[in-house]
Amino acid sequence: AQKVTQAQTEISVVEKEDVTLDCVYETRDTTYYLFWYKQPPSGELVFLIRRNSFDEQNEISGRYSWNFQKSTSSFNFTITASQVVDSAVYFCALKDSGAGSYQLTFGKGTKLSVIP
Amino acid sequence: DGGITQSPKYLFRKEGQNVTLSCEQNLNHDAMYWYRQDPGQGLRLIYYSQIVNDFQKGDIAEGYSVSREKKESFPLTVTSAQKNPTAFYLCASTWRVANTEAFFGQGTRLTVV
Repeated sequence: AQKVTQAQTEISVVEKEDVTLDCVYETRDTTYYLFWYKQPPSGELVFLIRRNSFDEQNEISGRYSWNFQKSTSSFNFTITASQVVDSAVYFCALKDSGAGSYQLTFGKGTKLSVIP
Repeated sequence: DGGITQSPKYLFRKEGQNVTLSCEQNLNHDAMYWYRQDPGQGLRLIYYSQIVNDFQKGDIAEGYSVSREKKESFPLTVTSAQKNPTAFYLCASTWRVANTEAFFGQGTRLTVV
């Protein structure tokens, strides 16, 4: 069965600090896909980044970067020079085909508060 | 503009009533999902559908029912059998391939009065 664990329930940082959100996952599939979503106070989830299990290259996109390590089943997400607008709940998600269809499983989320 | 529309935004239900939450998408996506969000619980999968006229139970399907008669629509009924329905409900859709992200509606907040 798929499982996603986000151990950090809440994080507070001062504006302009860097912050890393942790994500650990479990799956029996050899091919799977990992995602990060942001949920602002309005409630709608917004897609941020995606990573395929067969591509461990880490990337940077603007202030966002991610560290995918298959050996430790981790997919951590970093925001550089945080801003107040980054305050939101962040969800890590896993999609695989373990049940023959693509089920999208989420972690419990990490609430990030950026203090001005 | 393409997207997912959930209605209503707020819904109040009396105990013992069935209520239906609407979810419509014009993205031509194959797969649609319903999630329930409670404080500190993240998103839990209720039902999902990969194609029209087919759907599967998620982790917390008891007390809920769905239908998928049209590709664009995936309504969720919260029945009287659901003992604790007060929650935030999110609908999502995606292409029926693995490496694509899901798009979400703005959610429906259901409260039992």
